[in-house]
Amino acid sequence: KNEVEQSPQNLTAQEGEFITINCSYSVGISALHWLQQHPGGGIVSLFMLSSGKKKHGRLIATINIQEKHSSLHITASHPRDSAVYICAVEGSNYQLIWGAGTKLIIKP
Amino acid sequence: EPEVTQTPSHQVTQMGQEVILRCVPISNHLYFYWYRQILGQKVEFLVSFYNNEISEKSEIFDDQFSVERPDGSNFTLKIRSTKLEDSAMYFCASSADRGMQTQYFGPGTRLLVL
Repeated sequence: KNEVEQSPQNLTAQEGEFITINCSYSVGISALHWLQQHPGGGIVSLFMLSSGKKKHGRLIATINIQEKHSSLHITASHPRDSAVYICAVEGSNYQLIWGAGTKLIIKP
Repeated sequence: EPEVTQTPSHQVTQMGQEVILRCVPISNHLYFYWYRQILGQKVEFLVSFYNNEISEKSEIFDDQFSVERPDGSNFTLKIRSTKLEDSAMYFCASSADRGMQTQYFGPGTRLLVL
């Protein structure tokens, strides 16, 4: 069983739609990271959170520690948001355990 | 804005050859990491490095792998005798401290072993 599960695996939406990507994990964590991987392969850290909610521009990340679940939301989605969004959890040994990613395509 | 750099961007090598992948972390960061991503698969942790020694390593990081900070700025990953299955994208990252820190990633080195 994967320690980090993301859903959906693939998501195609129209420009302007509200996007939700989910992440569930089965291990104890100290923090959860959301990252974005561009089509060229580069990885950018979006959020690191251990409780509650964080917002940066049109991106919002939430985490529910009791339910071992996190969501990444994108408001007013745009074609430039098209990328793979990855959830990674940080355990007590500080290693990141990565999810498989959600491939998001936003059509104009 | 400071960034993590990696060289080369692409490397093609023959099976059994040694390769060295180089990274320059952000200058005031203390923790350094190597990850790999086999094509079509998820990113996997290889090793973390602090104060000139390995802090954590995964099962993947066996005796054919080694890391070094030779000169206070570069951080290298050496694969001693490459195998076909070492073909992957290798990412270096750095963070200011350990634990619950944002990690900053380099652009990656795409390694192809023939």
